[in-house]
Amino acid sequence: LAKTTQPISMDSYEGQEVNITCSHNNIATNDYITWYQQFPSQGPRFIIQGYKTKVTNEVASLFIPADRKSSTLSLPRVSLSDTAVYYCLVGGVGDDKIIFGKGTRLHILP
Amino acid sequence: DTGVSQNPRHKITKRGQNVTFRCDPISEHNRLYWYRQTLGQGPEFLTYFQNEAQLEKSRLLSDRFSAERPKGSFSTLEIQRTEQGDSAMYLCASSLANRPGAQYFGPGTRLLVL
Repeated sequence: LAKTTQPISMDSYEGQEVNITCSHNNIATNDYITWYQQFPSQGPRFIIQGYKTKVTNEVASLFIPADRKSSTLSLPRVSLSDTAVYYCLVGGVGDDKIIFGKGTRLHILP
Repeated sequence: DTGVSQNPRHKITKRGQNVTFRCDPISEHNRLYWYRQTLGQGPEFLTYFQNEAQLEKSRLLSDRFSAERPKGSFSTLEIQRTEQGDSAMYLCASSLANRPGAQYFGPGTRLLVL
């Protein structure tokens, strides 16, 4: 399973767009990139998954460059309730499990 | 079906006691996973089932830990002779077998061993 590197923490303000970048230099051809969000005292929540280019859903956008060695999770117009830990993971459909790192602690300020 | 549920949500026990946690996955999901999470860390994989078969166990899962999924639906995780180091959040997740990267987590069971 490819190792990922992401910032330990980030601060931003309400109403701003937040971009969290994840590096995965050893990503394999059949690996997908998945992001999870975790609020305190709750289980992680799947938010978005992609393979290449751009994926958008009602929560976030995921940008993946052509070389796929990094990806960026974009949260539009954040609010205080977006304060959470965000995990970036990579793995293929054939992988039996996913491995979480320490994630990025995002703190939204008023 | 509204999602993955776990019971109890909190458990306080004394060292040496046995505890059992239950997880009810999303009904159409055939994979079920158990994780442990301590403060400031990401969830650590413990074990997973596909239907009723336990397919992998982490080295973190000592012989005091056992998990079952007898009918391929709900699962239980039992910890025997609990130790203070077992204090953690125990998370359950489920997924479809063809989308293991898209897991849906329950709220967790927080265990405190005194």
